[in-house]
Amino acid sequence: DTGVSQDPRHKITKRGQNVTFRCDPISEHNRLYWYRQTLGQGPEFLTYFQNEAQLEKSRLLSDRFSAERPKGSFSTLEIQRTEQGDSAMYLCASSSWDRGETQYFGPGTRLLVL
Amino acid sequence: EDQVTQSPEALRLQEGESSSLNCSYTVSGLRGLFWYRQDPGKGPEFLFTLYSAGEEKEKERLKATLTKKESFLHITAPKPEDSATYLCAVSFSGGSYIPTFGRGTSLIVHP
Repeated sequence: DTGVSQDPRHKITKRGQNVTFRCDPISEHNRLYWYRQTLGQGPEFLTYFQNEAQLEKSRLLSDRFSAERPKGSFSTLEIQRTEQGDSAMYLCASSSWDRGETQYFGPGTRLLVL
Repeated sequence: EDQVTQSPEALRLQEGESSSLNCSYTVSGLRGLFWYRQDPGKGPEFLFTLYSAGEEKEKERLKATLTKKESFLHITAPKPEDSATYLCAVSFSGGSYIPTFGRGTSLIVHP
């Protein structure tokens, strides 16, 4: 396993700009999750894919957030019209049903909105 | 509403001073309880998964235990490199598979 990878690792943007993050899961994992984490808090669930299907979205997820997982491989998370409150660490995790659903996390993308 | 609570929020230990971290949960059916270690600016690193009361798992100086309402992460003779935030997450049956995370315990081990 090469592990979960995320790109970019850091992103600084101005308020109102759009940003897109990429996540490459562990190759044999069919489930992929996006989380957001702010300082002093645990990861907060955003959305979840099983293969290419987006099965669940957090009720807290703004309409400015959209995620895709074409062909059930990598995933992208886009934030439109960024706000300062979007500044956070964005984490991606993947899991496999036959491994007890344990999630393995990537290194995260640190977003700063100025 | 199901919740996950970790205590203490922060813990300072001297090297070699053993202690335990707690993760308690209100649950309507436990699917799994997960422990992670997180270093500053990095993603959580998986440590253990526990599924049923009475289960225990060990890795080096860490030992995780599970009861019907809580889990403990025991740290034996910690070293400064054990300094990190330790996160607990719980997934519940009867709902989605998405684990709910606690806020974590920040551990500092002084040499």
